[in-house]
Amino acid sequence: KAGVTQTPRYLIKTRGQQVTLSCSPISGHRSVSWYQQTPGQGLQFLFEYFSETQRNKGNFPGRFSGRQFSNSRSEMNVSTLELGDSALYLCASSPRDSGSYNEQFFGPGTRLTVL
Amino acid sequence: GNSVTQMEGPVTLSEEAFLTINCTYTATGYPSLFWYVQYPGEGLQLLLKATKADDKGSNKGFEATYRKETTSFHLEKGSVQVSDSAVYFCALSGGETSGSRLTFGEGTQLTVNP
Repeated sequence: KAGVTQTPRYLIKTRGQQVTLSCSPISGHRSVSWYQQTPGQGLQFLFEYFSETQRNKGNFPGRFSGRQFSNSRSEMNVSTLELGDSALYLCASSPRDSGSYNEQFFGPGTRLTVL
Repeated sequence: GNSVTQMEGPVTLSEEAFLTINCTYTATGYPSLFWYVQYPGEGLQLLLKATKADDKGSNKGFEATYRKETTSFHLEKGSVQVSDSAVYFCALSGGETSGSRLTFGEGTQLTVNP
């Protein structure tokens, strides 16, 4: 079974632009979560989607948004990019909807650099 | 809210040395606990997990025991190898948060020298 795939793997943008990142979960997984990883803040939760609905949201500004499609693929969008948005963005999929034990499978990430 | 605290790194060991990476957590209820590993240029891989008190997770020679009385989930390995060099993250889910949301510790960089 194929793992979580993320595209693109690397991206360079300039301040003020917007960007869209894509994530394809493991086949059959219906939950997709996004995380931001930076050297200063570590791994921080962005949001979680299940069945095209946002189920959980982290403490990020409204410039960060996401969506999930009927095939469970997910996209996240960052508008009006700032230098501080430079990070590795990780997507994780999970087979289950709720409950504390939800093993998550991570993709390789998209490395976003904002100049 | 939920939080996870890991021992500060980096940690440098010689091959075959004993490894301990400390992890403590704050959460209400009964969270599930995880250790993830990240190799250079890659995403996170689940190393081991424990879902209730006194559970011991183990994988590839690594072990961690869910200690509710000390709110800890320390990672141990008896004999590390060069290939274990990576960043290790302690994480939890559940407690005050619902769904699959993971709260991570700061990460500990491990370097194993031959």
